[in-house]
Amino acid sequence: EPEVTQTPSHQVTQMGQEVILRCVPISNHLYFYWYRQILGQKVEFLVSFYNNEISEKSEIFDDQFSVERPDGSNFTLKIRSTKLEDSAMYFCASTAGVPYTGELFFGEGSRLTVL
Amino acid sequence: DQQVKQNSPSLSVQEGRISILNCDYTNSMFDYFLWYKKYPAEGPTFLISISSIKDKNEDGRFTVFLNKSAKHLSLHIVPSQPGDSAVYFCAAMWSSNTGKLIFGQGTTLQVKP
Repeated sequence: EPEVTQTPSHQVTQMGQEVILRCVPISNHLYFYWYRQILGQKVEFLVSFYNNEISEKSEIFDDQFSVERPDGSNFTLKIRSTKLEDSAMYFCASTAGVPYTGELFFGEGSRLTVL
Repeated sequence: DQQVKQNSPSLSVQEGRISILNCDYTNSMFDYFLWYKKYPAEGPTFLISISSIKDKNEDGRFTVFLNKSAKHLSLHIVPSQPGDSAVYFCAAMWSSNTGKLIFGQGTTLQVKP
């Protein structure tokens, strides 16, 4: 069964460092998303991306964050200068079309630890 | 931001019995409500959804009920199986369909054999 894959599974970084989290969405999917879950808190929407553009972003997704689809398969989330509060599990998701019923296909997540 | 709330952090039921997971919301403009299931070390997996114009949707052992006047939805699992043990997230979305889901805090369901 096709799945969304994310790398790395766990990354430890120092505060102020740049981090890139990578995602390979399901191959025929066109809509891409990043969510995150801080330990003990809710899963939160960060950004949606379609046709090489951001469709919507949350208040969390400030200038420190950026997304890119550098080639036909990868979808990346970059955090320019990490802060302690960026420590979280980051989930990538994708859909083939507009998610009218809310069904997104999530990856297993990348755990980011900022020291 | 407490637009979607799951007030029970955990629930334990016996195998074969009914599991009822509850969710409340505050924003009457939500158009769709969903349930996701999450196992440890995995991402959330879509389970079932319901449109705001309906009051019930059923898929096998899973039924979601929506009470718009009470701003409440529930997920019924009948019969519960040990493999259903997971964290269940309630979520809501608007019809703008940008894929922005508003999640609740999650309820950990344990189904005992």
